[in-house]
Amino acid sequence: QVQLQQSGPGLVKPSQTLSLTCAISGDSVSANTATWNWIRQSPSRGLEWLGRTYYRSKWYNEYAVSVKSRITINPDTSKNQFSLQLKSVTPEDTAVYYCAREIYHFDYWGQGTLVTVSS
Amino acid sequence: DIVMTQSPDSLAVSLGERATISCKSSQSVLSTSSNKNFLAWYHQKPGQPPKVLIYWASTRESGVPDRFSGSGSGTDFTLTISSLQAEDVAVYYCQQYYSIPYTFGQGTKLEIK
Repeated sequence: QVQLQQSGPGLVKPSQTLSLTCAISGDSVSANTATWNWIRQSPSRGLEWLGRTYYRSKWYNEYAVSVKSRITINPDTSKNQFSLQLKSVTPEDTAVYYCAREIYHFDYWGQGTLVTVSS
Repeated sequence: DIVMTQSPDSLAVSLGERATISCKSSQSVLSTSSNKNFLAWYHQKPGQPPKVLIYWASTRESGVPDRFSGSGSGTDFTLTISSLQAEDVAVYYCQQYYSIPYTFGQGTKLEIK
C-alpha cells in the first residue's frame, strides 16, 4: 500500500520560500512507471497542478507556467521523498498543498498541508 | 491549457435516486493512438484529499462501488451515481491527464435533498 506523508511549516512570511516534503512508502521516487506531483487547492483557484518530477533513465521536471519562475521540485533518492520549494510567496499562494503519485491519474495523495502566507 | 467545465455547480438529489454530473473539455482528451480518453473523476470530502473514482473515463478504481459509472468520449463526459447513498455527499471533480498542465474542473457539490 502506497502512502505519502507530507511535512513542512504551515505559516510562511511574504517574500520568503515555501518548503514542503513528501515522504513515500510502498513505492520508489525512482520508479519508472510513476510521476510525483504537487497540487494545491484554494477557494479562488480550485485544484491547481503545480508540477512534477519523475525518472525515466534520467530525471525530468515539469512545471505549470503560472509558477515556473518560482518553483523547484526535487527528488531525494536517499530518503525516498520529494520536495517542493516555492520562492517569493505572496498571500495569493495561501492554499492547501498536496503531493500525489500519478500513474496516468492521481491514485495516491498526501494528507494535505494548509500553508498560510502572512506576516 | 485544456479547460475543464463541470455542470451543475451544485446538485441536490434524494437518497436512492440517480445523480448525474457533466464535464466538458475545451479540446479532445481522446488519444487516437491508444483509443483511450485521458479523463478521471474524483470526489473529495471535507478535510480529505481527492479520491479517484473513475479513470480512462469509464474504468472504476478498485474498491469503488459499482453505483459509480463514467461515460463519454472526446470532449463530453458524465459521471453517474445510480442510487445515491448518504456517504456520497462530497464535491466531485473531473480532471484531464491528456496534456500538461493537468487541469481540473471547478467542482460539483453533491448534497442530499
